[in-house]
Amino acid sequence: GESVGLHLPTLSVQEGDNSIINCAYSNSASDYFIWYKQESGKGPQFIIDIRSNMDKRQGQRVTVLLNKTVKHLSLQIAATQPGDSAVYFCAENIPNFNKFYFGSGTKLNVKP
Amino acid sequence: KAGVTQTPRYLIKTRGQQVTLSCSPISGHRSVSWYQQTPGQGLQFLFEYFSETQRNKGNFPGRFSGRQFSNSRSEMNVSTLELGDSALYLCASSSGTGVVGYTFGSGTRLTVV
Repeated sequence: GESVGLHLPTLSVQEGDNSIINCAYSNSASDYFIWYKQESGKGPQFIIDIRSNMDKRQGQRVTVLLNKTVKHLSLQIAATQPGDSAVYFCAENIPNFNKFYFGSGTKLNVKP
Repeated sequence: KAGVTQTPRYLIKTRGQQVTLSCSPISGHRSVSWYQQTPGQGLQFLFEYFSETQRNKGNFPGRFSGRQFSNSRSEMNVSTLELGDSALYLCASSSGTGVVGYTFGSGTRLTVV
């Protein structure tokens, strides 16, 4: 399958700081991207998505940036809280493939 | 509205046995996708069902199969279980029309001993 990878497997941040989680994707045809959050014992939870005709999208405390030139996706979390501690996955969708390819995940540890 | 419901939550089976997992999607969703999650391989796509038809399939052996019923509920079956089948099996539902994100269930934790 296609490769969707993450630069940092584990990220530790102080409560209140901003977090940035990065993701590289390999298929330039990918047109839709999602960030998921997975807490221990739970299924992945949708955080935010972005389509390839955009380069930035903001949600509540989260921002996703898409750089198609270098095939890079990032998730920014503002004022990180202990409840943000989880594993974060990026996922890409390639047109005409009815499935998402997931990255290996980054574990975010928020220190109080 | 209710989320995606997977049953059972936990399962322990012996090598060689078979297992059936169940998934009830969000009401109105017609697409159900199944993923296997392991520490070593991450989230790997098994298959997707839409309106009772398998619309897409991942690279898993034929021991892994699924089906979808007219009410969109889906089951997946794994026959002749191997130790390596131990994993969290996740079901995800979506409307199935257009490209939209999934809503995942909490998964079924399968342990093969």
